[in-house]
Amino acid sequence: KQEVTQIPAALSVPEGENLVLNCSFTDSAIYNLQWFRQDPGKGLTSLLLIQSSQREQTSGRLNASLDKSSGRSTLYIAASQPGDSATYLCAVETSYDKVIFGPGTSLSVIP
Amino acid sequence: DTGVSQNPRHKITKRGQNVTFRCDPISEHNRLYWYRQTLGQGPEFLTYFQNEAQLEKSRLLSDRFSAERPKGSFSTLEIQRTEQGDSAMYLCASSVLQGADTEAFFGQGTRLTVV
Repeated sequence: KQEVTQIPAALSVPEGENLVLNCSFTDSAIYNLQWFRQDPGKGLTSLLLIQSSQREQTSGRLNASLDKSSGRSTLYIAASQPGDSATYLCAVETSYDKVIFGPGTSLSVIP
Repeated sequence: DTGVSQNPRHKITKRGQNVTFRCDPISEHNRLYWYRQTLGQGPEFLTYFQNEAQLEKSRLLSDRFSAERPKGSFSTLEIQRTEQGDSAMYLCASSVLQGADTEAFFGQGTRLTVV
């Protein structure tokens, strides 16, 4: 059974800091891994999608890496801004066509 | 097409009542998913459609829950005899089976409060 965990559960940083969010999954047989952002009371916004054959994806100040063999992904946010404050969720698509989510990391960027 | 649309955005209902939510996916997407999310948790998978066929249902989906996608386009999720434990955000997502690119796009969700 695929399980997804995220560390840390919550993170508070001063504006301008670079930060790393971690995601781990137990079954390496995934099709892809996706990072999402969720603002309080809102739906999910897709940030980055990494296919199982890829090692990283970049979009602006965001960089996501994937190490399938070790079951890990990291989301790197450069030069954090208060507008980055949100919950960040990682999700893996399994061979059973299901998307399994982690519990999320709640990020607060202090001005 | 502006993305996945869910209605209503909020629903407050008394315990024991039935509720129905609607999801309109991105038009060319043949896959549609329903998730439930409680406060402080990640979304939990409920069920999944490919076109009009419901291919998988989670054990979380009790007999009081039913989902349909009659024409392979929009979907409805009905909860009968609601309980307070049903209070959650219900999220819908869609994707298209097109090679290896299966990015899921989520709606804004329907927040259900059972009082």
